[in-house]
Amino acid sequence: QVQLQESGPGLVKPSETLSLTCAVSGYSISSGYYWGWIRQPPGKGLEWIGSIYHSGSTYYNPSLKSRVTISVDTSKNQFSLKLSSVTAADTAVYYCARTGGTSHFLYYFDYWGQGTLVTVSS
Amino acid sequence: AIWMTQSPSLLSASTGDRVTISCRMSQGISSYLAWYQQKPGKAPELLIYAASTLQSGVPSRFSGSGSGTDFTLTISCLQSEDFATYYCQQYYSFPQTFGQGTKVEIK
Repeated sequence: QVQLQESGPGLVKPSETLSLTCAVSGYSISSGYYWGWIRQPPGKGLEWIGSIYHSGSTYYNPSLKSRVTISVDTSKNQFSLKLSSVTAADTAVYYCARTGGTSHFLYYFDYWGQGTLVTVSS
Repeated sequence: AIWMTQSPSLLSASTGDRVTISCRMSQGISSYLAWYQQKPGKAPELLIYAASTLQSGVPSRFSGSGSGTDFTLTISCLQSEDFATYYCQQYYSFPQTFGQGTKVEIK
C-alpha cells in the first residue's frame, strides 16, 4: 500500500520560504511515476503546484513557477517543495500525491498524503 | 489554460436520491477527466479516471460519463457516506486544473 506523509513547519512568516517534505512508503520513487504537490486554501478549491519524476525532471504551474522548486531524494524515498516569497495568499493545506501514470506528469492523482496546513503570518 | 465550470456548486439531496454533477470544459479534452470525493479535513480520494473508469475499491453506485467538453458524475443511490464535496480534474492540457467543487449536502 502506497502511503505519503507531508511534514514541515505549520507557520511561515511573510516573504520567507515555505519548505515541505513528502515521505513515501510502500513504493520506491525510483521505480517510476510522477509525484506532485497540490494545495487548497481554506474553504476553497484545489490547485496543482508542480510535479517531479525520479530523474529530477520537474513541471510547475505557470502561476507559481517563479517561486517554486520541487526536488527529489531517492535515497530517502522522499520529495520536497520550496515556495519562496510567501504571502497570506499562500496559506493553504498542502498535499503531496502520486500520479496515476508512469509516462507523463499530466495525470490524475491516485494516492494522496493527509495534507498539512501551512499558515503564512507574522 | 482550460476553463472548467462545475455545477451546481451546492446540491441538496436525500439518502437514496440519484444525483448528477456536471463539469464543462472551455475546450475539448477527449476523456482526460478525473473525479474526486473530499470529506471535511481529509484529502481528496480518486473516484473515476479517464472520464468513466471506476478506481479500484470505489462503489459501483458511482459512474462517470462524457467526452470532449461535457462530463457528468452520477451517484445512483446516495448513501450517508456520500455527503461530501466532489471535484473534477482535467489532465489533458498543461497546467492540469480542478473544478471549483460541488458540495453534496443533506436535504
